[in-house]
This record gives sequence, C-alpha cells and structure tokens, in this order.
Amino acid sequence: GESVGLHLPTLSVQEGDNSIINCAYSNSASDYFIWYKQESGKGPQFIIDIRSNMDKRQGQRVTVLLNKTVKHLSLQIAATQPGDSAVYFCAETNSNSGYALNFGKGTSLLVTP
Amino acid sequence: DAGITQSPRHKVTETGTPVTLRCHQTENHRYMYWYRQDPGHGLRLIHYSYGVKDTDKGEVSDGYSVSRSKTEDFLLTLESATSSQTSVYFCAIGGQGSYGYTFGSGTRLTVV
Repeated sequence: GESVGLHLPTLSVQEGDNSIINCAYSNSASDYFIWYKQESGKGPQFIIDIRSNMDKRQGQRVTVLLNKTVKHLSLQIAATQPGDSAVYFCAETNSNSGYALNFGKGTSLLVTP
Repeated sequence: DAGITQSPRHKVTETGTPVTLRCHQTENHRYMYWYRQDPGHGLRLIHYSYGVKDTDKGEVSDGYSVSRSKTEDFLLTLESATSSQTSVYFCAIGGQGSYGYTFGSGTRLTVV
C-alpha cells in the first residue's frame, strides 16, 4: 500500500547545530502533513504541520518544507538542544482515509553536548 | 494530554482472555483513532471512528473490535488476546480539518 518512509533511522548532532530530518511519502492524494516528536514512554507530541497548498511553514525553531514534486518532507530544527533528543515521525493524511494519519517508521535524534 | 485519557496505562493479560482498552476525550471531537506501536513499525492504525456508532477498519484491524456509544468514549477490544498483540496502544483525536491530532499517553499491553 501507500507508504510514508524516512531516509535515516538515526541522527546524531551536536548541541547548537541545526538538524534536518527527512521523510518521503508516496500517496499523491496526501494533503496534510504533520511532524511529531515522541519521547520515551510518552505519546507522540505535535510539532508542526503543513498543508499541501504550502511548501514551507515555520514555527519556533522548527521549519517544515514540503516538495510535492518529489513527494518529500523535511523537518529542520535550529540550534538543536539536548531536550530535542527523541524519535521524530512524519505523518500524512487525506480526506479519503477518514483523516487517519499514516506514519513513517521514525528517526531517532540524539543531541550530544 | 489536552483532554484525552487512556486506561489502563499498563496491563498484563493471559493468552486467550478478552481485553478492553478505553479512550476518553473531553474535546468533543468527532474523529477518534486507535493505533498500535511496535519497534520497527512506527504507529499503525487499527480502527477509527467518525462519529457515534460509526467506525471503520484500519491497516491492522484483525483480532480487534471497537465501539463508540457516545462521543467521548472509544473502546478497543481484543476478543481473545494473542502474544502478537503485545504492544503499546495509542488513542488519538482530531481530523476533518482540525489542525494537529492529539494523542493519549498510551497503554502498554503485555500478553503472556
């Protein structure tokens, strides 16, 4: 079936550096994308979202880029902090799927001092 | 988490026994979802509901049933638990134009 996948399973960065987490999707009908952060023992926490009619959206220290031509999504975290260490998931949805989120497998981000 | 609670938080049960997990929301969301999370698979959709008594299957629905008799509660039932259903189960609310989806804290289920 349609899939949402991540290019790298783990990412290690130094504190203060910028982080980029990538995600590929295959469903052309996807019209809403979300990045989640999940810390150990907790549920996924919303970070930022973007709709398919946009190609960039910025939040506090985070930016999501959407390239619909190549079906690629990325999450950029500026000035990465130790508290950013977690697993990050991209997810996509569309109205045809009951708005259910389809998740990628996740990227583990480790921030070293 | 923002008006969504799951119970129990942890449960150990024996193979072949029925198990019901509860998701309760106070946000009056129409859409509710049950996911399971396993290493190497991310989160996979089990069932979802788009209103009271309106439910549909997800990617991994075999062995599970759901019920939604009122807006605030969405129940997930394992009719006869198997070891392959050992997992962490998450409930979520959102969808239909709302921004973001909110997840509960999860239920860790172990079937022995």
